[in-house]
Amino acid sequence: GDSVTQMEGPVTLSEEAFLTINCTYTATGYPSLFWYVQYPGEGLQLLLKATKADDKGSNKGFEATYRKETTSFHLEKGSVQVSDSAVYFCALSTGTASKLTFGTGTRLQVTL
Amino acid sequence: GAVVSQHPSRVICKSGTSVKIECRSLDFQATTMFWYRQFPKKSLMLMATSNEGSKATYEQGVEKDKFLINHASLTLSTLTVTSAHPEDSSFYICSARQGLASTGELFFGEGSRLTVL
Repeated sequence: GDSVTQMEGPVTLSEEAFLTINCTYTATGYPSLFWYVQYPGEGLQLLLKATKADDKGSNKGFEATYRKETTSFHLEKGSVQVSDSAVYFCALSTGTASKLTFGTGTRLQVTL
Repeated sequence: GAVVSQHPSRVICKSGTSVKIECRSLDFQATTMFWYRQFPKKSLMLMATSNEGSKATYEQGVEKDKFLINHASLTLSTLTVTSAHPEDSSFYICSARQGLASTGELFFGEGSRLTVL
């Protein structure tokens, strides 16, 4: 079946550091890939997505590139801020966008 | 963006009682809502798909008599955990799809933490 593996956290970084959160997947067919973010006390929010190989999703300074050859969708940001502290979930869907398979989530903590 | 609200955010109940969790789409109509369960340090697991006016579709391994889902209106779905036991303690999250297309964006509630004593 479909699955998503992402690095365990927590990830602790200083402000302005470079961020990478690794995400790899296994799926039947050609999945769409997503990153969701959950800020403290809030619901998951879509951060970015990519629907086909080599697509790059980007939003709020975050980027992720759909790599079919390595089945990866790593999340990157060049300079993190304290306000980026949250839990980040990698997810995929095959078929309809509604049925999402999530990774375990990676908690990011950014300090001054 | 669209807002989905869950209530209650935290609930503690005694073993054997039933607990109802509500999921509301506040500023849009949601034909389809989804219920997830999250165990500590585990990924979100889809429990069921709730369609307004019809029976929910449950994922394999989820007891439909244990987790009753009702989607009586376009803005409200409820999950009732019946005869709750300590192993039902978990974090329950709902999401709602905006629009009718299967590719419509999903909006998530903030989650409800259930603790069964």
